[in-house]
Amino acid sequence: ELKVEQNPLFLSMQEGKNYTIYCNYSTTSDRLYWYRQDPGKSLESLFVLLSNGAVKQEGRLMASLDTKARLSTLHITAAVHDLSATYFCAAAGTALIFGKGTTLSVSS
Amino acid sequence: EAGVAQSPRYKIIEKRQSVAFWCNPISGHATLYWYQQILGQGPKLLIQFQNNGVVDDSQLPKDRFSAERLKGVDSTLKIQPAKLEDSAVYLCASSPGTSSYNEQFFGPGTRLTVL
Repeated sequence: ELKVEQNPLFLSMQEGKNYTIYCNYSTTSDRLYWYRQDPGKSLESLFVLLSNGAVKQEGRLMASLDTKARLSTLHITAAVHDLSATYFCAAAGTALIFGKGTTLSVSS
Repeated sequence: EAGVAQSPRYKIIEKRQSVAFWCNPISGHATLYWYQQILGQGPKLLIQFQNNGVVDDSQLPKDRFSAERLKGVDSTLKIQPAKLEDSAVYLCASSPGTSSYNEQFFGPGTRLTVL
C-alpha cells in the first residue's frame, strides 16, 4: 500500500531564508506531484515530476525527485510572505495518494 | 478553458440529514474523482469514474455514501444519513486520461459542516 509522509508539517519561515520540505513515499511511484492550497481554496498544481533526477523550478520554488530513495524535496529560496500556504505532495500509484501537507508561515 | 465546477460551495446540515454535491468536470475529461479532505489532512480518494463507469470505490463508505456520473459528464455525490465525522471539504477533480498518472485538475470544493 502506497503511503506518503511529509515533514515538517508546520514551518515557520523568516523572510529571505531558505527552507526545504521533504516528501517520502513507501512504494514505487514514478510520478510525484506538488500542490499548493491557500486557506479556503482548492488545490493548485505546482509541479509534476516524472522521472528519477527530475528537477523543476518556478520562481522561488524548486522541486526534485529521487525515485531510488523514494524522496521528493521542495526547496524554498529566500522566502517571501506570498509563499504562505499549505503544500501537499502526492504520489501516483493505483490512485493519487496525498501527504498530510506542510503549512508554511512566513514572517518578516 | 473553464475549470472544474462544484456546487454548493458551503453546506451546513444536522446529523442524520442527507446532502448532495454536484460536479461538472472540464469538458472532454474522461475521468472524474471525488475526494474527501478533512481539516488538517490531505485529500483522500472516495471514488473514481472513467466515463460513466466506476473504476475505484474502495474507500467509499457505501452504507451512507453514493455517487453517480450520468452520461459520463456531471457527477453527484450523496451522503445519507450524515454523521458528524463527515464534516470535511469534498473536492471534485477531473483528468483527460484514465490513469492516476495523468494530472488531475481540482474544483473549488464543497465545505460540509455536520452539526
